[in-house]
Amino acid sequence: GAVVSQHPSWVICKSGTSVKIECRSLDFQATTMFWYRQFPKQSLMLMATSNEGSKATYEQGVEKDKFLINHASLTLSTLTVTSAHPEDSSFYICSARDIRLAGEQFFGPGTRLTVL
Amino acid sequence: LAKTTQPISMDSYEGQEVNITCSHNNIATNDYITWYQQFPSQGPRFIIQGYKTKVTNEVASLFIPADRKSSTLSLPRVSLSDTAVYYCLVGDSGNQGGKLIFGQGTELSVKP
Repeated sequence: GAVVSQHPSWVICKSGTSVKIECRSLDFQATTMFWYRQFPKQSLMLMATSNEGSKATYEQGVEKDKFLINHASLTLSTLTVTSAHPEDSSFYICSARDIRLAGEQFFGPGTRLTVL
Repeated sequence: LAKTTQPISMDSYEGQEVNITCSHNNIATNDYITWYQQFPSQGPRFIIQGYKTKVTNEVASLFIPADRKSSTLSLPRVSLSDTAVYYCLVGDSGNQGGKLIFGQGTELSVKP
């Protein structure tokens, strides 16, 4: 149980385009989802926290207009990288939390974004 | 959120026991200590969590002294497949909305 999936697993896009990444909790209801970004050889950096049905809370330094987060249902959150540029190329990871499961977080497999 | 400090890297050989220590001097009363494992190009995987004393599961043990200002993840008899980055995190799932702040992690390299 407690599986989180991400789609796509990798994506390559041209500079200036927008890319949407989906994060799904497959067998539990995720009241809260988190989005992280990880550059090569670096740790995960928390970008934002999203609660179902409300606006996401962004960490300091993360542009909310560039990284649009929607958490419309208890099993799905989406991250849209708008007008992507090469510096947005990174590994994006989501995690999901069900408060009924003692608050443990379950991580998705990640999405590799490459912007040309 | 309490900041954690871990060694940047560690080397070991197959079959050895590996102990990775994490310092968290500012741990709060309600904070739990959680360890995650991450392989390249994968999401982190939960290993173990504890609050005090010792916790053991099928893959690892977690030792926490009485003052809780540090913790040690113990991996018994490591194999090549244990080569990964290990993260120590400290937090309270009830506060901060369950946010997890990752430190630099420890890159463990297991050699044959």
